[in-house]
Amino acid sequence: EVQLVQSGAEVKKPGESLKISCKGSGYSFTSYWIAWVRQMPGKGLEWMGVIYPGGSDTRYSPSFQGQVTISADKSISTAYLQWSSLKASDTAMYYCARSISGAGRVDYWGQGTLVTVSS
Amino acid sequence: DIQMTQSPSSLSASVGDRVTITCRASQGISNYLAWFQQKPGKAPKSLIYAASSLQSGVPSKFSGSGSGTDFTLTISSLQPEDFATYYCQQYNSYPPSFGQGTKLEIK
Repeated sequence: EVQLVQSGAEVKKPGESLKISCKGSGYSFTSYWIAWVRQMPGKGLEWMGVIYPGGSDTRYSPSFQGQVTISADKSISTAYLQWSSLKASDTAMYYCARSISGAGRVDYWGQGTLVTVSS
Repeated sequence: DIQMTQSPSSLSASVGDRVTITCRASQGISNYLAWFQQKPGKAPKSLIYAASSLQSGVPSKFSGSGSGTDFTLTISSLQPEDFATYYCQQYNSYPPSFGQGTKLEIK
């Protein structure tokens, strides 16, 4: 069974750093891309970027380029999304999803990680 | 970037009804169109890819059609568990983009 299990909810202060994770199981982690999708409170879905753990090829949406870093450790089948300096506007639910290709077709989703940034 | 526009933004229907949601792309995307269902407090669930292909395990009451710029998602014989928000997504060109969502509510 394909599963993507994300790390737990985080509460941070503005300016702090954060790294959240997404662990894949039940499939060959290095054969699929992992995407990150943001959902701000009460809003729709936004594509942030995608990584290919098999080769570390990474593509960002222009809106998120330079704002976050996507990485992966194939030895532990885990992808990451990180911030170096959080802002209040980063408060959102973040989902990882398995992507068939780097172009954006996704099939399985993680359960989501809620990130709250507040002073 | 390609803009995706869904209509209506919200929709009220009764159990047993058949409903159709429309998604329009700002430029042609061939059939690189997916549909997702999201229930409150839950992760999205993939329903359809390539405009009309059902994801594994998705019941046939869900169907999709369209090509180019205009697409539809049809849900037949609505059941209580179908009331949710539905999103379309294009993956023809990077970055992929989502519609704003259609909230399907019980009448």
